Amino acid sequence: DAGVIQSPRHEVTEMGQEVTLRCKPISGHDYLFWYRQTMMRGLELLIYFNNNVPIDDSGMPEDRFSAKMPNASFSTLKIQPSEPRDSAVYFCASSLAGLRAQYFGPGTRLLVL
Amino acid sequence: AQSVTQPDIHITVSEGASLELRCNYSYGATPYLFWYVQSPGQGLQLLLKYFSGDTLVQGIKGFEAEFKRSQSSFNLRKPSVHWSDAAEYFCGMDSSYKLIFGSGTRLLVRP
Repeated sequence: DAGVIQSPRHEVTEMGQEVTLRCKPISGHDYLFWYRQTMMRGLELLIYFNNNVPIDDSGMPEDRFSAKMPNASFSTLKIQPSEPRDSAVYFCASSLAGLRAQYFGPGTRLLVL
Repeated sequence: AQSVTQPDIHITVSEGASLELRCNYSYGATPYLFWYVQSPGQGLQLLLKYFSGDTLVQGIKGFEAEFKRSQSSFNLRKPSVHWSDAAEYFCGMDSSYKLIFGSGTRLLVRP
């Protein structure tokens, strides 16, 4: 059974460019989470969805960040325009409501120059 | 306020020695608790979880954890550490489907 799939695994871009990160959750899971991990701030929850509907986006740092989940098997996190301080590892995780345990993808390592 | 605390930033143990990583939580009721491991350049892997019932839970890779309500703790243990266990370990607590994580403990293993 495939786990959470994220793409790309690495992204290098220049300041001001648009960045789109992609996530495919585990089939059947009804919760999807986006996290950011940095040395300074650790793991931060950015936003999460339940049944494709955004529930809590209070962790999204600013309007440059947006996330969508058009269907149960796909989600995107977009940064436009990107800034050097957005450099981090972005993780997607999914879970099944009754089980609560979250399963993480391998992450996307983003470097904004 | 709900929180998770991992008091040890780094721990170093010798290969073959026993390990205990500490985790304390603050929550009004019986929490759902988790331990995750993150190897360098990897995502977080679920080691074990506690929901209710038996307070000693077994996980993957030979790890176990004990829930102690009186101490608000959920410490992770392993009887004999292998060099491949060197990684960062995160304790987490469910809060209305969101996970509250501790700041992590980095485990170093001496040969």
